Amino acid sequence: SQKIEQNSEALNIQEGKTATLTCNYTNYSPAYLQWYRQDPGRGPVFLLLIRENEKEKRKERLKVTFDTTLKQSLFHITASQPADSATYLCALDTGRRALTFGSGTRLQVQP
Amino acid sequence: DSGVTQTPKHLITATGQRVTLRCSPRSGDLSVYWYQQSLDQGLQFLIQYYNGEERAKGNILERFSAQQFPDLHSELNLSSLELGDSALYFCASSVPTPGGTAEAFFGQGTRLTVV
Repeated sequence: SQKIEQNSEALNIQEGKTATLTCNYTNYSPAYLQWYRQDPGRGPVFLLLIRENEKEKRKERLKVTFDTTLKQSLFHITASQPADSATYLCALDTGRRALTFGSGTRLQVQP
Repeated sequence: DSGVTQTPKHLITATGQRVTLRCSPRSGDLSVYWYQQSLDQGLQFLIQYYNGEERAKGNILERFSAQQFPDLHSELNLSSLELGDSALYFCASSVPTPGGTAEAFFGQGTRLTVV
């Protein structure tokens, strides 16, 4: 069956360090992958989109990589801040013309 | 502010009842998506409408239905409600691209509590 897997365990890091979150998928060949941030009780907010022909994409302190051979995307936040604490979701267009989301990884940045 | 408006923000109702959730997409967005997020669960895609027509269906129960009106706002109808239907319901809108789904803009959600 088709799956999108994110580490369900919370990631705890110290302020100033780089956070790295992983998104693995099986049985898809997505044209692109997206990352969203979700705060408790609020709707997800779009962060970055990376296409299958792009290896890496950056936006300010955010960096996303996309390895279609490994079927994996890595999401990095450099110089992390307590305000970066949230749940981060990866999402794929799985051919149903709608985004399918992973279950998300909760990031906690300690001051 | 994403530009997507959902009403009401909170809804408490009894089992067996019927409710309607409303969504106004961003100006110019023709696609509307509905998602359900239960406690500790991921976002589950329910249904998509594009310019008034159903475009894709996900894990939507037969007790649930939706529609998109000529002014592009959408309504999600939930009937014969059960305790397990308690969840956050999100609406999102986007501008579809030829290659697939563009970034989605989410509303703040409707928190439904069935008692």
